[in-house]
Amino acid sequence: EAGVAQSPRYKIIEKRQSVAFWCNPISGHATLYWYQQILGQGPKLLIQFQNNGVVDDSQLPKDRFSAERLKGVDSTLKIQPAKLEDSAVYLCASSTLLADQETQYFGPGTRLLVL
Amino acid sequence: SQQGEEDPQALSIQEGENATMNCSYKTSINNLQWYRQNSGRGLVHLILIRSNEREKHSGRLRVTLDTSKKSSSLLITASRAADTASYFCATSFGGYQKVTFGIGTKLQVIP
Repeated sequence: EAGVAQSPRYKIIEKRQSVAFWCNPISGHATLYWYQQILGQGPKLLIQFQNNGVVDDSQLPKDRFSAERLKGVDSTLKIQPAKLEDSAVYLCASSTLLADQETQYFGPGTRLLVL
Repeated sequence: SQQGEEDPQALSIQEGENATMNCSYKTSINNLQWYRQNSGRGLVHLILIRSNEREKHSGRLRVTLDTSKKSSSLLITASRAADTASYFCATSFGGYQKVTFGIGTKLQVIP
């Protein structure tokens, strides 16, 4: 079974530029998560999708961050414009809706550096 | 703010010793999970314990959950150098299984 795929793995941009990250979850997983992990901290949930719909985006800075999940499969996370404090690893995870299978499967992450 | 808080934030032990990490949380949960993250890599799921369970084992891992104290502990027995990593507890709550991670415990196992 293929895991969660993310691209790019690394990205360096200057502040005020825009950037987009892509995630392909495990086939059949209805729930998709985007997390931001700043160095030395735990992952912080940015947005949670269930199929096409957003079920939680309470911690997403909506003035600069946006995310979509077209057709309930792949997802993109965009930052526009980027700030220095957005430097972090962006993790995508997916899980099923089946009872007793709440485990999240994480991708390798995209490491973003904003200069 | 993050729901879970791990304690200690850093732990250094000799290979072969046991390592114990604790997690406290604030609200009622559906389940609690422990994840491991090796340096610079993604998170790997270790074990899940449900709110109606008190103890669970998986290989060298033992997890306990005390819902009255809103706390959990992860015990790694007979540690190995390969166990060196950061360990996070994650609590799941609400109808959509919202998951909140703690700040992590950084474990170093010295060969």
